[in-house]
Amino acid sequence: GEDVEQSLFLSVREGDSSVINCTYTDSSSTYLYWYKQEPGAGLQLLTYIFSNMDMKQDQRLTVLLNKKDKHLSLRIADTQTGDSAIYFCAERPGNTGKLIFGQGTTLQVKP
Amino acid sequence: DTAVSQTPKYLVTQMGNDKSIKCEQNLGHDTMYWYKQDSKKFLKIMFSYNNKELIINETVPNRFSPKSPDKAHLNLHINSLELGDSAVYFCASSQDIVQETQYFGPGTRLLVL
Repeated sequence: GEDVEQSLFLSVREGDSSVINCTYTDSSSTYLYWYKQEPGAGLQLLTYIFSNMDMKQDQRLTVLLNKKDKHLSLRIADTQTGDSAIYFCAERPGNTGKLIFGQGTTLQVKP
Repeated sequence: DTAVSQTPKYLVTQMGNDKSIKCEQNLGHDTMYWYKQDSKKFLKIMFSYNNKELIINETVPNRFSPKSPDKAHLNLHINSLELGDSAVYFCASSQDIVQETQYFGPGTRLLVL
């Protein structure tokens, strides 16, 4: 089946690292994504990882993929108040083109 | 030079009305999508068009009819609006159906009274 689960809320202090976790069910997923949504705004693609990779790093962002456990995480180093937003994990099963989203994790960054 | 644009940004209307939301992309992409985000922020795909042809229809009520006049545009027409249609509707596009990146528009916030 197609299902993506995330925890709903994460609170961190400015300067700390944030780790947002996600689990998915479809083992045929070729790409996994992290999108960011700020209040009242659209979805911004942060990063994605191909299913044959274990890790991808892009500046302050590190994505880890455990394909065996179908677990994806997003680590944000040196979290800033501007990182406060909802973070969506998404999988793309096979070559369907459609994205299956998790319910989003609200990241609150306290000064 | 917005990549994926939607109009209107906000739409407030009465139950039973018919309304349309427009989407345009200037990226030269072949594939476009409509997603619905409900009040709990849950995002779900509704439709996808590839080169003006419908390729994904996720059991959406037939009150919703997408139309793609050309591959740069994908409009969504909704008949007989219901309270439960209140949501944010996002348009997205990708180079083609197998390309990894979908780019999203800013969303249209629909409120049905």
